[in-house]
Amino acid sequence: AQTVTQSQPEMSVQEAETVTLSCTYDTSESDYYLFWYKQPPSRQMILVIRQEAYKQQNATENRFSVNFQKAAKSFSLKISDSQLGDAAMYFCALNTGTASKLTFGTGTRLQVTL
Amino acid sequence: GAGVSQSPSNKVTEKGKDVELRCDPISGHTALYWYRQSLGQGLEFLIYFQGNSAPDKSGLPSDRFSAERTGGSVSTLTIQRTQQEDSAVYLCASSLFMGYEQYFGPGTRLTVT
Repeated sequence: AQTVTQSQPEMSVQEAETVTLSCTYDTSESDYYLFWYKQPPSRQMILVIRQEAYKQQNATENRFSVNFQKAAKSFSLKISDSQLGDAAMYFCALNTGTASKLTFGTGTRLQVTL
Repeated sequence: GAGVSQSPSNKVTEKGKDVELRCDPISGHTALYWYRQSLGQGLEFLIYFQGNSAPDKSGLPSDRFSAERTGGSVSTLTIQRTQQEDSAVYLCASSLFMGYEQYFGPGTRLTVT
């Protein structure tokens, strides 16, 4: 069985600053994928970034980047130059090749202040 | 192109009634997933379909829940004899193939009174 843990229920960041959201996971699989999803109040889950476990290079998507530490089973999301539109719930999720379904963490609510 | 769509957006039903929730995946996506999001349980996997293979029903919470996918496209999640604990947001997602990133629909908020 796999688990995903997000230990920060809420985070706050000032506009234009940088914030890092934490995620740890556990799986016995060697082939897996990690994702960060954003869920604004509209409840639409939006894919932010994806990381393949076999890739050593950390994924980046514009202002979003990850710090993937495979040995530590850690997958944090860094948001640079935070914008008001970044305010949302952020979910870390794990997908293994055999299970296919996503296992989600409990989420981190990010507030962006002026 | 069009994303995943779900209908209805909101559904209020009386305890004991049956409900059907619909999902239209992204065209060409072979895998389709249903998840449930509730305050107490977070995001839970319910069922997934991959092509013509038998669906993985391992996440369905009881035999009151069932789902089908017709023609490899549209899927319907049916909840029979609804209970108050079934109140949640039901999310559908699709992906190009199993294991690829999943794209979600806007969800159906189900309220059982």
